Amino acid sequence: DADVTQTPRNRITKTGKRIMLECSQTKGHDRMYWYRQDPGLGLRLIYYSFDVKDINKGEISDGYSVSRQAQAKFSLSLESAIPNQTALYFCATSDRDRGPYNEQFFGPGTRLTVL
Amino acid sequence: LAKTTQPISMDSYEGQEVNITCSHNNIATNDYITWYQQFPSQGPRFIIQGYKTKVTNEVASLFIPADRKSSTLSLPRVSLSDTAVYYCLVGDRSGAGSYQLTFGKGTKLSVIP
Repeated sequence: DADVTQTPRNRITKTGKRIMLECSQTKGHDRMYWYRQDPGLGLRLIYYSFDVKDINKGEISDGYSVSRQAQAKFSLSLESAIPNQTALYFCATSDRDRGPYNEQFFGPGTRLTVL
Repeated sequence: LAKTTQPISMDSYEGQEVNITCSHNNIATNDYITWYQQFPSQGPRFIIQGYKTKVTNEVASLFIPADRKSSTLSLPRVSLSDTAVYYCLVGDRSGAGSYQLTFGKGTKLSVIP
């Protein structure tokens, strides 16, 4: 969805480096999410935020941190990247009134490779 | 923490109706069932959502039995462009007030000409 953008789209980095993935949205949604996708494992929730002052851990938050800089921006950081964090990362948003179980709008994804 | 189970893959010929079932035995009273479609190198896209019985839109139908422990996504007369991975999502709440959205591992549908 063009209303949800992610930067960078592709990134190759080395073990131990700090990496930040950024997500921006123009949908005016309050709720934002970060997911990780690995082959054969589907999508797993890393962190989510229901508003600027709200940050919550998801299923697999270890090794990750997030920052909600504004309603429209939600960043995911890997403080010290490791090879098993190589994956496809998706950001998503949803409207406050519709809740997280309702329609989420996904960005195009960031492919991260940690060597 | 509710989990979902779906078939890993399915094949279908063009023009046939396809039914993909998702099992969610631990679904909670207030949970909804949502299905997404994902093409390679793209983010998932919402298809349909329901709570009970049957829901239909221009793309698909969703059948949910009374016990709500499973749901079936029905795609009428599939075409090659329906080749994708289909995910079942069940709203779930666990732990200390945290939400744990759980996607199934997805069903890879291959439509054969």
